[in-house]
Amino acid sequence: DQQVKQNSPSLSVQEGRISILNCDYTNSMFDYFLWYKKYPAEGPTFLISISSIKDKNEDGRFTVFLNKSAKHLSLHIVPSQPGDSAVYFCAAYMAGANSKLTFGKGITLSVRP
Amino acid sequence: NAGVMQNPRHLVRRRGQEARLRCSPMKGHSHVYWYRQLPEEGLKFMVYLQKENIIDESGMPKERFSAEFPKEGPSILRIQQVVRGDSAAYFCASSQPGQSLYNSPLHFGNGTRLTVT
Repeated sequence: DQQVKQNSPSLSVQEGRISILNCDYTNSMFDYFLWYKKYPAEGPTFLISISSIKDKNEDGRFTVFLNKSAKHLSLHIVPSQPGDSAVYFCAAYMAGANSKLTFGKGITLSVRP
Repeated sequence: NAGVMQNPRHLVRRRGQEARLRCSPMKGHSHVYWYRQLPEEGLKFMVYLQKENIIDESGMPKERFSAEFPKEGPSILRIQQVVRGDSAAYFCASSQPGQSLYNSPLHFGNGTRLTVT
């Protein structure tokens, strides 16, 4: 049962353009959503998060949008840089659920110079 | 990823052998989590531990897998009688006590890549 879905396995974007990474979820009980970035042979690193009571959170070049009615969130990266090339995981959890993160399968972003 | 130390980075075991994966959390963190990433999959929660206490092991396979986080020393994920399907990347993460993941996101180690031949 895939509660967090990242249906597009890969995305290729030109440097300087916007990258939009999508994520859908099925469990309406999720309270918080996070994005992690992962380089090969490394562990995931936290990027940005959003609470279910918000619809937008911004941190520098990274913005996460949440559409709770559609159970959909997206990560926008603008402008995209070659160093952003990595696998991006969407994750979610329920408050009080022992901090158990549910991850999507990830999206491989390639930013072309 | 600085701070959460996992070793070994790579581990090769033959079917039927035991695998021991170690994780030292970041300084000041007393909560440890183990996640497993199978090929082409996302990370799956396995177990959540505090010092000397298993809080949630709902993601652990019922047989052959065990985890501990003793009062002294690293957390250990132990897999007995490994099979080829255990081949995966195993990631450890840590967090501060009393903090939500929203305010204090998990810090992951670089993982142990287990290969069962």
